[in-house]
Amino acid sequence: SQQGEEDPQALSIQEGENATMNCSYKTSINNLQWYRQNSGRGLVHLILIRSNEREKHSGRLRVTLDTSKKSSSLLITASRAADTASYFCATTLEAAGNKLTFGGGTRVLVKP
Amino acid sequence: GAVVSQHPSRVICKSGTSVKIECRSLDFQATTMFWYRQFPKQSLMLMATSNEGSKATYEQGVEKDKFLINHASLTLSTLTVTSAHPEDSSFYICSAREYFARGPYNEQFFGPGTRLTVL
Repeated sequence: SQQGEEDPQALSIQEGENATMNCSYKTSINNLQWYRQNSGRGLVHLILIRSNEREKHSGRLRVTLDTSKKSSSLLITASRAADTASYFCATTLEAAGNKLTFGGGTRVLVKP
Repeated sequence: GAVVSQHPSRVICKSGTSVKIECRSLDFQATTMFWYRQFPKQSLMLMATSNEGSKATYEQGVEKDKFLINHASLTLSTLTVTSAHPEDSSFYICSAREYFARGPYNEQFFGPGTRLTVL
């Protein structure tokens, strides 16, 4: 079974609005990563947050991590039509050989 | 940056035939490559971990005789779907991890994926 669950499964917003999606996981992790996937394409790495970090920024992206709640959020500010994609969280556990375990993903549609 | 390619990007085959998908790390050496499968509107499911020079490690429920993995060099891993059937139609994505990790977290670099359609 998948480690991570994401919500919402789908999100539709207007250009310029913020998009927030959440990821929950079940076991302790080393780090958590967020990826973007455009339709029918491979994954693009967005940001990695370590288990001892609480918040991280990269451009218009803001990621938080709450290890007590085993959850993370990805915020995309001032969204653009080009942000339309599926977003996946993935956790890494050293005991599992640093394999990535993906969440179910959030499909984001940014309407111009 | 680290680039991973896959070939072919799309393949259509008849039921019962075998299909080989290649995953190459273009500018780095990868001791470990991962193969994922993704059904439409679903997440990536890890199928197997491929280590150069040794046998692949398959995830539970993945048939090793059905999905043959060969990692003969530090830049190439292949996935062969044997006797493919329509239910094998999916998007197959590989990723590669550098031998000397470029970053501190053994980042995986993903290929663009291969769309397999079995008629």
